Amino acid sequence: AQKVTQAQTEISVVEKEDVTLDCVYETRDTTYYLFWYKQPPSGELVFLIRRNSFDEQNEISGRYSWNFQKSTSSFNFTITASQVVDSAVYFCALISGGGADGLTFGKGTHLIIQP
Amino acid sequence: GAVVSQHPSRVICKSGTSVKIECRSLDFQATTMFWYRQFPKQSLMLMATSNEGSKATYEQGVEKDKFLINHASLTLSTLTVTSAHPEDSSFYICSARQGRFNSNQPQHFGDGTRLSIL
Repeated sequence: AQKVTQAQTEISVVEKEDVTLDCVYETRDTTYYLFWYKQPPSGELVFLIRRNSFDEQNEISGRYSWNFQKSTSSFNFTITASQVVDSAVYFCALISGGGADGLTFGKGTHLIIQP
Repeated sequence: GAVVSQHPSRVICKSGTSVKIECRSLDFQATTMFWYRQFPKQSLMLMATSNEGSKATYEQGVEKDKFLINHASLTLSTLTVTSAHPEDSSFYICSARQGRFNSNQPQHFGDGTRLSIL
């Protein structure tokens, strides 16, 4: 069985602060993929990143960065210099093995950026 | 590229009505499509996996007679909520992927359907 835990239900910060969203995963498979999605109030899912289990390089995309650590089974997401438009629910997700099944999502972290 | 269109975006109907939701991949062939359900302020839960030309595989606890899934072509999957009741009110979202067992292929999500049963 696989599981994704996002322990932070809600985070509220003031604009321009840095914020890190935590994600811890569980899987017995050696091959797996981790994802982050953003869900704004309108409901659609916006794909942010995909990372495979064999690539532990951290990634930076503009103000977004991701820290993948297999030793702690974590795939944390940091937003630098947060903006009000970053306010949304962020989901971490996992798919493993042969990939016949759908994504296993965490419960999501509601990020509120206050002006 | 990789656009998934989901229609309708919002449905409000009376209890007992059957509702059909369409999920189309516009610019790629989707061998596999997935249907998720999301209750307010909760996570997305996989309902079923749909492979083109095959019967859908339902997750435990999902009634296959209640939620009919058809994936007749490589670009279209439909979810029909039969005899819908207020407890079926939810946000339904589909995703599509090229390849059946290719977990390295990303899933592309539709914009979701907000279903409200009165």
